[in-house]
Amino acid sequence: NAGVTQTPKFQVLKTGQSMTLQCAQDMNHEYMSWYRQDPGMGLRLIHYSVGAGITDQGEVPNGYNVSRSTTEDFPLRLLSAAPSQTSVYFCASSSGTGGTEAFFGQGTRLTVV
Amino acid sequence: DAKTTQPPSMDCAEGRAANLPCNHSTISGNEYVYWYRQIHSQGPQYIIHGLKNNETNEMASLIITEDRKSSTLILPHATLRDTAVYYCIVRVGGGNKLVFGAGTILRVKS
Repeated sequence: NAGVTQTPKFQVLKTGQSMTLQCAQDMNHEYMSWYRQDPGMGLRLIHYSVGAGITDQGEVPNGYNVSRSTTEDFPLRLLSAAPSQTSVYFCASSSGTGGTEAFFGQGTRLTVV
Repeated sequence: DAKTTQPPSMDCAEGRAANLPCNHSTISGNEYVYWYRQIHSQGPQYIIHGLKNNETNEMASLIITEDRKSSTLILPHATLRDTAVYYCIVRVGGGNKLVFGAGTILRVKS
């Protein structure tokens, strides 16, 4: 049971480049989320999904796109990377109902130069 | 979701109990109290959650006051590996759309 898997673990981008951060879970969870964590701060919600085909914006969605075509996968796309998007990105999944825990991936450390 | 207040940092001697407080005075009746921790720069790890009653699992105990306005996470025998940032989160739903504050930095010292 792999849990939540994020790829890549590290990435360096040039300003203006695009890329996709991958997130996959094998627990058949309906709910998946993307967070970013800047140095010395707590995690902030970027986008989330409550099931295949359903996504919505979180606290800091600008500059990011998501889609959810399958239950297992929830990729995060940066269309035109900016230095302000330098951060550590975490993906999480949960069954979503009250009183349930979230499972987090190990993160993707992204640097935009 | 109700706002939570935690001390910014705490120290604990190795082998002693670590008691981490959290205030959530505006909590509503159907909101759960969740605790997560983040060791170094790893992904947050779920510890425990509760609604009204005290809870215990293999990692920790959660004590919720009768009025539910505050709670305490107890690590019964802290080890150096428990050094981490601990987040108290109050939420109606499950583990989705979590709102993380600054948390409490727990330093376990030998």
